[in-house]
Amino acid sequence: EVQLVESGGGLVQPGGSLRLSCAASGFTFSDYGMNWVRQAPGKGLEWVSAIAGSAGRTYYADSVKGRFTISRDNSKNTLYLQMNSLRAEDTAVYYCAKESGFMAPYDYWGQGTLVTVSS
Amino acid sequence: EIVLTQSPATLSLSPGDGATLSCRASQSVSSYLAWYQQKPGQAPRLLIYDASNRATGIPVRFSGGGSGTDFTLTISSLEPEDFAVYYCQQRSNSWTFGQGTKVEIK
Repeated sequence: EVQLVESGGGLVQPGGSLRLSCAASGFTFSDYGMNWVRQAPGKGLEWVSAIAGSAGRTYYADSVKGRFTISRDNSKNTLYLQMNSLRAEDTAVYYCAKESGFMAPYDYWGQGTLVTVSS
Repeated sequence: EIVLTQSPATLSLSPGDGATLSCRASQSVSSYLAWYQQKPGQAPRLLIYDASNRATGIPVRFSGGGSGTDFTLTISSLEPEDFAVYYCQQRSNSWTFGQGTKVEIK
């Protein structure tokens, strides 16, 4: 059974940093691209970042480019999102999601972790 | 950036009704369009990929169509569990989501 479990969310002050983790199981982690998608309270889905299975290529939404860094440790079956220079508008539930194929739609999602940026 | 515009924002229908949701792209995305369903407090669930292919376990009452810039998600006869928010997503050029269509009980 595929499982994605996010952790690391919490309350952080504007300008602060946070690192999210997503522990994966039930599939060959290194074979699949992984993504982060966020959802602000009461709002729609926003794609944040993606990383290829081999960890070679990374992609970012303009809204987080230069502030967020996606990475993965295939030996630990874990995806990360390092978030720096956080702003109030980064407040959201952050989901990790597994691609169903090369740059394909997401067939599995985690339950999400809430990040709140506030003083 | 490719912008996806969904319409209508809200659809008020009764169980048993049919529903047609629209997603329009600001430029062609070929057939690289997916649809997701999200219920309150839950993660989204993949319904349709590559415009018209049902994901594993998705009931046949859900169908997708279109190509290029205009796409539809059709629910042939609404079941009580279908009342939710639906999002389209393109993967032709990076990834973007539409703003969502809420299907609510009339």
